[in-house]
Amino acid sequence: QKEVEQNSGPLSVPEGAIASLNCTYSDRGSQSFFWYRQYSGKSPELIMSIYSNGDKEDGRFTAQLNKASQYVSLLIRDSQPSDSATYLCAVNQVPNSGYSTLTFGKGTMLLVSP
Amino acid sequence: SQTIHQWPATLVQPVGSPLSLECTVEGTSNPNLYWYRQAAGRGLQLLFYSVGIGQISSEVPQNLSASRPQDRQFILSSKKLLLSDSGFYLCAWKPESSYNSPLHFGNGTRLTVT
Repeated sequence: QKEVEQNSGPLSVPEGAIASLNCTYSDRGSQSFFWYRQYSGKSPELIMSIYSNGDKEDGRFTAQLNKASQYVSLLIRDSQPSDSATYLCAVNQVPNSGYSTLTFGKGTMLLVSP
Repeated sequence: SQTIHQWPATLVQPVGSPLSLECTVEGTSNPNLYWYRQAAGRGLQLLFYSVGIGQISSEVPQNLSASRPQDRQFILSSKKLLLSDSGFYLCAWKPESSYNSPLHFGNGTRLTVT
């Protein structure tokens, strides 16, 4: 069973701090990695995609990928109370049918206190 | 631009009753379509995916079924609901033949089986 693992949290940070969210995956063949944000009672919303080793920055968000260590992370700089949500890590998988699907971690709950 | 619609938003059904959830995508042709379920306190579980009309792949054996009667329509059904079918059902899409693209989710249907 190919797995995506995340700490469930909650991760509590004060407003203005850097929040660091981590994810590991088991399938060495995975090529694309995504972070989704999910507010309580809502559907997941894509916030970052990363495909190559290294860092990718988009505004206050930075995604980091290390394929050798099978590790993906998301940094949120200058955290705001509105960032309080569950963050889902997703990794593409190729089942026997040959078509790509996404496997999700269970998510890390982030709480940003004013 | 592409949009995805899911309905109903909420549903309360008794055990043993049938189920039909519908999802449609606008603004694209021959999308890959997905049904996920998120049970309380659990991660997103892939239920079904489809790469074309009439083509359905099941990831988890259960009392649910899926159909794709039209290019941009995806339906999730059950003949007799179980208590364990309660959860948040999410339809998602991505462009045809886009191996590394992320999924885009609808707003979801919250199903409570009583």
